[in-house]
Amino acid sequence: DAKTTQPPSMDCAEGRAANLPCNHSTISGNEYVYWYRQIHSQGPQYIIHGLKNNETNEMASLIITEDRKSSTLILPHATLRDTAVYYCIGQASGTYKYIFGTGTRLKVLA
Amino acid sequence: KAGVTQTPRYLIKTRGQQVTLSCSPISGHRSVSWYQQTPGQGLQFLFEYFSETQRNKGNFPGRFSGRQFSNSRSEMNVSTLELGDSALYLCASSFGQGYNYGYTFGSGTRLTVV
Repeated sequence: DAKTTQPPSMDCAEGRAANLPCNHSTISGNEYVYWYRQIHSQGPQYIIHGLKNNETNEMASLIITEDRKSSTLILPHATLRDTAVYYCIGQASGTYKYIFGTGTRLKVLA
Repeated sequence: KAGVTQTPRYLIKTRGQQVTLSCSPISGHRSVSWYQQTPGQGLQFLFEYFSETQRNKGNFPGRFSGRQFSNSRSEMNVSTLELGDSALYLCASSFGQGYNYGYTFGSGTRLTVV
């Protein structure tokens, strides 16, 4: 199973890029890495996912290392509304269930 | 379009009772998953349904069960409630079942067992 490891907390100044790292050294070749975030008391919100290549959408960019053992989520211009817990999620081998880690609590500072 | 709808939003039950939670997925989504979130254990996978069939099940006791109807709506049931079942129960839906489909989560049902 693709277990993930993330730093428990990070701070970022408003307007700066927030770079959130994730280690997923046990990920298998066909397992995607997903990123979600959860703002207090709401359901997790999908951000981005990727397999091998770097990905970008309107919310964020995802950089995956060539060996696929780690990735970095980049919020290019963090705002106060980006304060949330960010989860890097691996997918259980051979299944379609998410294995959530403990996430990174990102605080964007004014 | 409407998101994932979970009802009720809040629920208070007594130990020993049973409870049924409901989830209406996004129109056209056929896969529904359920998760339990507690402060101590975080987000844990309960089960996943696709086209009315349970495809995956997490490590929860048999008191936790679920089902999916032909219109993709899903329910989960917890019998003989225990204090430790107090949690936020989240439902998520996806168009397909596969690695390249992200899930959309609902806002959850917060269950309190007293």
